[in-house]
Amino acid sequence: DVKVTQSSRYLVKRTGEKVFLECVQDMDHENMFWYRQDPGLGLRLIYFSYDVKMKEKGDIPEGYSVSREKKERFSLILESASTNQTSMYLCASSSPGRTGANVLTFGAGSRLTVL
Amino acid sequence: GIQVEQSPPDLILQEGANSTLRCNFSDSVNNLQWFHQNPWGQLINLFYIPSGTKQNGRLSATTVATERYSLLYISSSQTTDSGVYFCAVAPGSARQLTFGSGTQLTVLP
Repeated sequence: DVKVTQSSRYLVKRTGEKVFLECVQDMDHENMFWYRQDPGLGLRLIYFSYDVKMKEKGDIPEGYSVSREKKERFSLILESASTNQTSMYLCASSSPGRTGANVLTFGAGSRLTVL
Repeated sequence: GIQVEQSPPDLILQEGANSTLRCNFSDSVNNLQWFHQNPWGQLINLFYIPSGTKQNGRLSATTVATERYSLLYISSSQTTDSGVYFCAVAPGSARQLTFGSGTQLTVLP
């Protein structure tokens, strides 16, 4: 089974701090994604990557950046955390495989609180 | 971008009841997936179903791509079915999925 591991389950940070959220997958997937989840809004795509050193903006990239230096690792960076970035952050990966399905596998999530 | 609407937003059932969740989307899609998020926040893929019908135990899903909707059926519901159900879609060759806002299901014992 594909495993997607997020480094921190819960984080509490202060406004203005730099925050790193790490995500690692172990099945050689090409595609990796960062979503944030807020009540009533579903999941919204922040950034995604389809190859090492490649990144694409999602629907809400403002205030975030990403890094993909290795195929298995995709990092989300909040350069200067703000209270409106308090949220659940979900990492996912996918690969087209033989069927071309790009079925998403999610990590357990990282709940970030910015004070 | 593509719009995804799920209904109902909330659903409360007695254990053993059946239910139907709906997902409407605004454009043609080549990828449609259903997910269940358990009370601890973990999202699990239930179906990859851009068209047609699939079944997995008490769950089944149907997508009518030409009419731009998908249905998720849950039969003989159990308390462990509680959680949020999400529909997510992608048009064309896009790799990224757009999610609906989900249906919160509560199954009472």
